[in-house]
Amino acid sequence: GAVVSQHPSWVICKSGTSVKIECRSLDFQATTMFWYRQFPKQSLMLMATSNEGSKATYEQGVEKDKFLINHASLTLSTLTVTSAHPEDSSFYICSGDPTFSTDTQYFGPGTRLTVL
Amino acid sequence: KQEVTQIPAALSVPEGENLVLNCSFTDSAIYNLQWFRQDPGKGLTSLLLIQSSQREQTSGRLNASLDKSSGRSTLYIAASQPGDSATYLCAVNYGGATNKLIFGTGTLLAVQP
Repeated sequence: GAVVSQHPSWVICKSGTSVKIECRSLDFQATTMFWYRQFPKQSLMLMATSNEGSKATYEQGVEKDKFLINHASLTLSTLTVTSAHPEDSSFYICSGDPTFSTDTQYFGPGTRLTVL
Repeated sequence: KQEVTQIPAALSVPEGENLVLNCSFTDSAIYNLQWFRQDPGKGLTSLLLIQSSQREQTSGRLNASLDKSSGRSTLYIAASQPGDSATYLCAVNYGGATNKLIFGTGTLLAVQP
């Protein structure tokens, strides 16, 4: 149980285009979902906390107008990278905080974004 | 500022050795601490979760300890195998309104056959 999926698993796009990444909790409801970014050989850095039905909370230094987050249901959050540039190339990982537990998050498999 | 650091950054050992990975955190008022494994280009696999009231947790060849007062946790891997090769991340949860995790810098482990 407690499975999180991400789609797509990888994407290549041209500079200036927008890319949407989906994060779904398959067998549990998640009031809160988190979006992380991981650059090569670095650790995960929290980008934003996504709450169902309300605006996301962004970490310091993360541009909310560039990384649009929508959490329309208890099982789906989306991250849209707008006007992507090569420096946005990274591994994006989401996690779901289940409503049945306050102890841990469940992580998706990640999405590799490459901006040319 | 709440920071989590892991030492060493990289480690290479021959198969069969016992090894210890270290994690330190600056703010000791944690809710829980978790160890994860990450294979190259993949997501995270949870290994062990230690609540703030616990001293250690064990799962198979893995043992994680927690010393809140000193701001440290260790992950002990017994009889290492090549399949243990991965990056190991510790993450601290400070609780509160959200279960936001602060990740450590990671240790890249290579177990040589």
